[in-house]
Order: sequence, then C-alpha cells, then structure tokens
Amino acid sequence: QVQLVESGGGLVKPGGSLRLSCAASGFNFNDYYMTWIRQAPGKGLEWVSHISSKGTTIFYADSVKGRFTISRDNAKNLVSLQMNSLKAEDTAVYYCAREALGYDFWGQGTLVTVSS
Amino acid sequence: DIVMTQSPDSLAVSLGERATINCKSSQSVLYSSNNKNYLAWYQQKPGQPPKLLIYWASTRESGVPDRFRGSASGTDFTLTISSLQAEDVAVYFCQQYYGIPHTFGQGTRLEFK
Repeated sequence: QVQLVESGGGLVKPGGSLRLSCAASGFNFNDYYMTWIRQAPGKGLEWVSHISSKGTTIFYADSVKGRFTISRDNAKNLVSLQMNSLKAEDTAVYYCAREALGYDFWGQGTLVTVSS
Repeated sequence: DIVMTQSPDSLAVSLGERATINCKSSQSVLYSSNNKNYLAWYQQKPGQPPKLLIYWASTRESGVPDRFRGSASGTDFTLTISSLQAEDVAVYFCQQYYGIPHTFGQGTRLEFK
C-alpha cells in the first residue's frame, strides 16, 4: 500500500537550518509530482512547494522562496526539503503528499519548531 | 494567488441531519480544455493528516461514503454531507489545484449540535 514517511523535524533556533525527508513506498514514485504542505499549530493548511516527477519543474510559495529547496531522488524514492534561514513563522507540522487529482496520499507529518 | 474562502468557519449539525459547507474561489478554477473544476475537498480529524474526499469538485475518492457530495456553480463550491454520522466530526478544507500555489480554504469545523 502507499506509504509516505516524513522525518527530520525538530527544534531549531531562528536563522537555523533543517532538512526534511519523505520516504515513499507502495507506488511508482517516478510517475508523480510530490508536494510539501505545512500546518501551523491550530491553523489551516499552507502549500509550500512541489516538484515534478523528474525534478525538472519546481515551484515554491512566496513565503519560503529563496530559503527552502525541494529535491527528489527517484532511485531512492525520496523527496526532501532543505529549509534555511528559518523563522518563527515556519513553525508547523510539515506533510509530504502525493499529487494526483488533488493530494490523494499524505504522510503523518513531522513537526518543525523554530524558537530560541 | 487564488484565494479560497470557506463558510461558515464552524457548523453544528445534529446526528442524521444535513451539513453544508461552502467554498468560493477568487477566480475560475475551471480548465476549459477538459471542462473540469480543479477543486478538491479534504477531511481532517485531530492528530491526523487530511484525507482526500472529493476531486474535480464532484468526484468522490475511492472508498468515500456516498453521503459526501460535492457540487459546483461557477466559482462557488459546496460539500454536502447528507446525513451526519459520528465519524464525520472533523475540519473540512477546500483546495484549488488549478494555479500555483495550490491554495486551501481556511477550514470549516463541523461539530455535533
């Protein structure tokens, strides 16, 4: 069955960096766009970034542009999010999701807390 | 960016009664080449990731009960739960996947009356 498992979250100081990873299994990873979506505590959902199946098309939300970098390794079924210059407002649960018609599979999420 | 606005923010419905959640997009999300609205609905329960319920504005995802129905009229979209069950208490989000960024509505919290 389809599984998406995020890792790499944690507590980081403002200005610091983290790298999130999402390990995919149970489907042909090479065929799908993959996306990172975040949810601040008690808040709604914010689309962060997505990457095309071959990694050639990438988009970012304005709120993270220039600070976050999405990448994928199709040989390892892995999508990553490098987050630099982190701010308090980046505190959220970060989900990776498979993009089909909408987002049909989501991971359980990994919590990123940016605080001094 | 396409702004998605849901109403109401919260809704209390009795067991077995109908629940209606609205979502309005700031511009059309209808792709003319296939006449499809690029609009999805999600259900999120506490401590869980969102679950896809509806895509193309009105197509139920596999396994979603038929009491969930999506409809569209121009830039107005509706999610209707025909007969509320205990397990339907959750927050519901609409999302457009027509334009980047794929924006979400702010969410509607559905509770028991």
